[in-house]
Amino acid sequence: ETGVTQSPTHLIKTRGQQVTLRCSSQSGHNTVSWYQQALGQGPQFIFQYYREEENGRGNFPPRFSGLQFPNYSSELNVNALELDDSALYLCASSLATGRQETQYFGPGTRLLVL
Amino acid sequence: KNEVEQSPQNLTAQEGEFITINCSYSVGISALHWLQQHPGGGIVSLFMLSSGKKKHGRLIATINIQEKHSSLHITASHPRDSAVYICAVVGNQFYFGTGTSLTVIP
Repeated sequence: ETGVTQSPTHLIKTRGQQVTLRCSSQSGHNTVSWYQQALGQGPQFIFQYYREEENGRGNFPPRFSGLQFPNYSSELNVNALELDDSALYLCASSLATGRQETQYFGPGTRLLVL
Repeated sequence: KNEVEQSPQNLTAQEGEFITINCSYSVGISALHWLQQHPGGGIVSLFMLSSGKKKHGRLIATINIQEKHSSLHITASHPRDSAVYICAVVGNQFYFGTGTSLTVIP
């Protein structure tokens, strides 16, 4: 157990809808990163939040947005869902933003877009 | 072209065998992570390396910064080691390999 939880575990949406995925970090971890993992692929970095501000972003369009809250929880929002958004979405928390910090991964949310 | 390449993609071993998984990367990095992902998605961080070698139980990870290469070794493999092993490097962001799917047969 990493102490990081995600909800929901599974989700089915249709193209064009919006989705919000949630992550609860380990207590005291002020940094959270979100990743998208398509079937058979390695995770792809979406963005990182540090102290409620975006602190780095991968190659994802603006319809992928996030929020981080003072209670160590965070959200990933995806608007105008596309079929290719179907994937496992992982969040990971760490003590700080340093790239050498160990990341603690949640179990992921499986999103299916029909 | 992926920034991180792993080999092999799939690996089947008999229980007790010594296993090596390789990772090569093309970007400048400050650290490299080896991750283990079990069916269902959960990821566990096994090692974080910036130089040399680390050992944890039956797992050994090495990195050669000059050659941009890392290896993960499993000694005396066991069926519970069956999982996907992912190499991730830390450059200006995290870059992940596509993983090596390991199956250890009793």
